[in-house]
Amino acid sequence: RKEVEQDPGPFNVPEGATVAFNCTYSNSASQSFFWYRQDCRKEPKLLMSVYSSGNEDGRFTAQLNRASQYISLLIRDSKLSDSATYLCVVNPQGNDYKLSFGAGTTVTVRA
Amino acid sequence: DAGVIQSPRHEVTEMGQEVTLRCKPISGHNSLFWYRQTMMRGLELLIYFNNNVPIDDSGMPEDRFSAKMPNASFSTLKIQPSEPRDSAVYFCASNYGPRGEQYFGPGTRLTVT
Repeated sequence: RKEVEQDPGPFNVPEGATVAFNCTYSNSASQSFFWYRQDCRKEPKLLMSVYSSGNEDGRFTAQLNRASQYISLLIRDSKLSDSATYLCVVNPQGNDYKLSFGAGTTVTVRA
Repeated sequence: DAGVIQSPRHEVTEMGQEVTLRCKPISGHNSLFWYRQTMMRGLELLIYFNNNVPIDDSGMPEDRFSAKMPNASFSTLKIQPSEPRDSAVYFCASNYGPRGEQYFGPGTRLTVT
């Protein structure tokens, strides 16, 4: 089983819509969680960290469900510039420096 | 801050040639990571260093790959000899602290013909 699994999508949504997707992780001892964004032919960039209580950053909301071992990302009022691949990232061992990356969920926002 | 710097940005080489990729991490970061990304396999961790010491190289595909970090501001990933299946984007990333987010360089797009 992969450490981090994501629905690859693509999620095709109109501008202004809300889109949400999840990822699941296999190691219940995982300590840190992130969402990264990767544009086509670019490097991954941190979008936001995910905290136990859930957190919001503008139009983006991240939630963590430790009991079911999944993380979600919700994008409100989608913009064309939100089109990208979103990578779910987990630090499975807490005190180790390694991160496990999901394969990514592709979101395309259309005008 | 200049961010993570990688060179070259693009490399095209023939099978059998030696390829050296270079990375300068963000100043003050004490961990450095080399990743490879392909459509088929996604983002794979090849090796990572902490305080210039290789900690985990279990992701290095085979003996043709080697990585060094002679000091805190420089690392190399070498492939010798290169093969067409090594064609990929190679990213270097750095961070500080065991739970911190990683900052990626722009990557080196390697094509081996």
